[in-house]
Amino acid sequence: EAGVTQSPTHLIKTRGQQATLRCSPISGHTSVYWYQQALGLGLQFLLWYDEGEERNRGNFPPRFSGRQFPNYSSELNVNALELEDSALYLCASSFPSGGDTIYFGEGSWLTVV
Amino acid sequence: AQSVSQHNHHVILSEAASLELGCNYSYGGTVNLFWYVQYPGQHLQLLLKYFSGDPLVKGIKGFEAEFIKSKFSFNLRKPSVQWSDTAEYFCAARSRNAGNMLTFGGGTRLMVKP
Repeated sequence: EAGVTQSPTHLIKTRGQQATLRCSPISGHTSVYWYQQALGLGLQFLLWYDEGEERNRGNFPPRFSGRQFPNYSSELNVNALELEDSALYLCASSFPSGGDTIYFGEGSWLTVV
Repeated sequence: AQSVSQHNHHVILSEAASLELGCNYSYGGTVNLFWYVQYPGQHLQLLLKYFSGDPLVKGIKGFEAEFIKSKFSFNLRKPSVQWSDTAEYFCAARSRNAGNMLTFGGGTRLMVKP
């Protein structure tokens, strides 16, 4: 069974541009989570989608946004990129919200130059 | 605010030494606790989890963790580490009282010397 898949693996963008990252959850999972893992800052929660709706949002500016599609895949958009947005962006999925285990993908490396 | 703390940022051990990594959380109510591991160049993998029941939880690769409710702790242990345990270890907690999102500690980098 396929795990959480993310694309692209690596992305290089210029400051001020927009970046779009994609995620496909494990089959049967309806909840998708996005985390940012920046150097020295650990894992920071970004967004949580469940059944197409945004359920929770971390302490990030509005230029970080996303959506979840009817097939439960998800997209993270980062507008007006800044140098400090350079990080590994991790997507995770789980069964519908509750006390279930969250499984992570391999991440997308975003470099802003 | 709910938070997860890992007090050891870097740990260096020799092979066969015993390991204990500290984790404390500040959630009230029912909490689910996890330890994840990130080997160099690999993605986050679940080591073990605690939802309810026996507070001593056994995970993969010989790891175990003990939930001590009175101390708000969920420390990770392994009796004898191997070079292949070199990785970064993350403690995480999730609670309905905290919006049900998974919050991570800052991570502990473990280096095991052969």
